[in-house]
Amino acid sequence: KNQVEQSPQSLIILEGKNCTLQCNYTVSPFSNLRWYKQDTGRGPVSLTIMTFSENTKSNGRYTATLDADTKQSSLHITASQLSDSASYICVVSASKGETTDSWGKLQFGAGTQVVVTP
Amino acid sequence: DSGVTQTPKHLITATGQRVTLRCSPRSGDLSVYWYQQSLDQGLQFLIQYYNGEERAKGNILERFSAQQFPDLHSELNLSSLELGDSALYFCASSAQGHYGYTFGSGTRLTVV
Repeated sequence: KNQVEQSPQSLIILEGKNCTLQCNYTVSPFSNLRWYKQDTGRGPVSLTIMTFSENTKSNGRYTATLDADTKQSSLHITASQLSDSASYICVVSASKGETTDSWGKLQFGAGTQVVVTP
Repeated sequence: DSGVTQTPKHLITATGQRVTLRCSPRSGDLSVYWYQQSLDQGLQFLIQYYNGEERAKGNILERFSAQQFPDLHSELNLSSLELGDSALYFCASSAQGHYGYTFGSGTRLTVV
């Protein structure tokens, strides 16, 4: 069973509207959670990275939230644009003891495919 | 430009053949990761190298192998290729103690 579950699998929204993507995880011990945007055929690009103590982090029109108690995260896209059409991937990192660095094993969600229509 | 360079961008080869994909990490990054992404699938972790040493292994087939050289660039070797190996292969790099994790633009491998 995947330790990172994303929902919905896909969604279609009208340009200018808002949307929220969900990520639930069971990864433990938790180190950090990242949201990536992946355009078709391109490499994923980091949007936000949050550690245990961070509840919210914004990057322009993208706002990520994290509830480490319930092991849930969301990515909110405000005033969507056509260029937001992409796959959004939630990635959770497990920590190696107190060494919370990139050696921690990453668990990838399957992604949410967002299509923004005019 | 993410700073992670992958070559070639596209590769078409026949079944049974062997190919080598190359990745140059961002300047200063010691870790290199390889991922496979099949059509409409999520990223599948293959293998990680840190400063020339294998650090972690994922779902990497025995037909696949990788190495990281002293100059920190990495190569992924795929042999006895099958149709099902057609996919995007991504490389990512990171620095120790840094949460950042940067992906290259990928190599699209088509096996015919």
